Amino acid sequence: SQTIHQWPATLVQPVGSPLSLECTVEGTSNPNLYWYRQAAGRGLQLLFYSVGIGQISSEVPQNLSASRPQDRQFILSSKKLLLSDSGFYLCAWRGGPGVLTFGAGSRLTVL
Amino acid sequence: SQQGEEDPQALSIQEGENATMNCSYKTSINNLQWYRQNSGRGLVHLILIRSNEREKHSGRLRVTLDTSKKSSSLLITASRAADTASYFCATDAGTGRRALTFGSGTRLQVQP
Repeated sequence: SQTIHQWPATLVQPVGSPLSLECTVEGTSNPNLYWYRQAAGRGLQLLFYSVGIGQISSEVPQNLSASRPQDRQFILSSKKLLLSDSGFYLCAWRGGPGVLTFGAGSRLTVL
Repeated sequence: SQQGEEDPQALSIQEGENATMNCSYKTSINNLQWYRQNSGRGLVHLILIRSNEREKHSGRLRVTLDTSKKSSSLLITASRAADTASYFCATDAGTGRRALTFGSGTRLQVQP
């Protein structure tokens, strides 16, 4: 069966520090992968999606970047965090009928 | 941008009552999906309804879709305290990016 792992679960970072969130998927090949961000009490905003290795599409201009170095690995990064980068980051992969399976999320607090 | 907007934003009911949440969207869709999110956790898929379907059932869940009004509703019957969560609708426009667009969610509180 397919599983999705996301880490770290929680992190607190100072403004201006770098960020790396990692997501890996098991049990499937060539998945479509997604990074969403959720502000407190709000809906999900699509940040990036990827249909294959090295293929990244950005939905919103921002301080973040994404990379897909391996088929089942998706990384969200920043060189210098801003206060506005705080939020709950969710990785997801898309199954056959178009259903998303989400990771447990990474809660980022930038101080 | 938010494609789906849920209504109400928050709902509090007693165990055993039915809970109805509504979702409106703006563009044509391939399908519409409902997800549930427990506090501080990832989202879990509940049910998918295709654009050519009008109603779908899954256990205590009933979803309707009205493409002419660009709206959907999620009904949870005989609610339980364990149904307490946020519920989101998400639309699949069937475009190349193959991404879902989520609404802002309805926070459901079921009082025991």
